[in-house]
Amino acid sequence: AQSVTQLDSQVPVFEEAPVELRCNYSSSVSVYLFWYVQYPNQGLQLLLKYLSGSTLVKGINGFEAEFNKSQTSFHLRKPSVHISDTAEYFCAVLAYGSASKIIFGSGTRLSIRP
Amino acid sequence: DADVTQTPRNRITKTGKRIMLECSQTKGHDRMYWYRQDPGLGLRLIYYSFDVKDINKGEISDGYSVSRQAQAKFSLSLESAIPNQTALYFCATSDLGTSGYNEQFFGPGTRLTVL
Repeated sequence: AQSVTQLDSQVPVFEEAPVELRCNYSSSVSVYLFWYVQYPNQGLQLLLKYLSGSTLVKGINGFEAEFNKSQTSFHLRKPSVHISDTAEYFCAVLAYGSASKIIFGSGTRLSIRP
Repeated sequence: DADVTQTPRNRITKTGKRIMLECSQTKGHDRMYWYRQDPGLGLRLIYYSFDVKDINKGEISDGYSVSRQAQAKFSLSLESAIPNQTALYFCATSDLGTSGYNEQFFGPGTRLTVL
């Protein structure tokens, strides 16, 4: 079975500061990894994904994430945040061959202070 | 127009009532999913369907049933709603894909409150 742990339920940062949202996963098989973003009163949209290849993945809105197999982590980063990045962010994992059954973390609420 | 739509967007109901949440998609995808979102728990899979004749239970299917009326429509029913089914419900779709990964596209959600 797979599991996902998002270590911070809330992360407050000042505008234009850097941010890192942490995600660790557990799986006995190889996995695909994702970050989704949920803006207020909206559904989820895919921010970025790691399928294979380069461990540094770039997504939309200036976000990037790095897959670290030895530490089973997939942390999300942005060098300079904007007010518009205020949202909830979900890390998710899909095990190879698991029939599209994505497992989501509990979410991290990012709040940006002016 | 949105590719994945959900109706209603908000619903308040009473304990014991039957409720149906509907999902429609224009993406032409074969696979559809129902999730519920609770604060601090993320999203959990209720049911999923890979085509009209293939329906499967997810992580938390007790108290729910589904119907896949057509490729584009997937409904979630609560036969007798209870307060702990108060949550935000999301429908999602994905295609078959060939790489082993199929991106899921989410609807805007239905906020259900059971009193």
